[in-house]
Amino acid sequence: KNEVEQSPQNLTAQEGEFITINCSYSVGISALHWLQQHPGGGIVSLFMLSSGKKKHGRLIATINIQEKHSSLHITASHPRDSAVYICAVSGDSNYQLIWGAGTKLIIKP
Amino acid sequence: EAGVAQSPRYKIIEKRQSVAFWCNPISGHATLYWYQQILGQGPKLLIQFQNNGVVDDSQLPKDRFSAERLKGVDSTLKIQPAKLEDSAVYLCASSSRGWGETQYFGPGTRLLVL
Repeated sequence: KNEVEQSPQNLTAQEGEFITINCSYSVGISALHWLQQHPGGGIVSLFMLSSGKKKHGRLIATINIQEKHSSLHITASHPRDSAVYICAVSGDSNYQLIWGAGTKLIIKP
Repeated sequence: EAGVAQSPRYKIIEKRQSVAFWCNPISGHATLYWYQQILGQGPKLLIQFQNNGVVDDSQLPKDRFSAERLKGVDSTLKIQPAKLEDSAVYLCASSSRGWGETQYFGPGTRLLVL
């Protein structure tokens, strides 16, 4: 079993829909990261959080430390949101980043 | 502020040839990372520098890969000789201090080994 699990693996939605991507982890962490990777592009860090909730524009990230679960939400989704969204955690022992497999999101106009 | 710069963006070589990638981190960032991302997989950390010292190179195939960060700023990653399985995107990232800090990624270098 992977230490960081994301769901769904693939998600296709219509423009304007509310999007949720989930991340569960099984290790102790110091921080959880949400990152975005466009096809052929580099990786952009969206959020780093260790508790609670963060919001930036139409993106919201939440984390529940007790349940070892985080969600990334996109409100009023747009085709330009189409990308791979990756959850990664910083371990609390050696601090190495442990990566999820990513969620491929396609938003159709 | 300027982001992480990498060059070249694309490279095609034949197996057994050598190749080098260059990374210029965000100014003032002490920590620099090199990742290898094979198609369909998440990035794998190859090496982490803190200033010009190596913090973690446990997953670097040292028989063929080498990296240096002279003067604690720019870094180069070299593969010699390349193998077919080295085809991947090589990502450089930097952070102001270290793990747990937000990492800022460069655009990556896409390597194809034929």
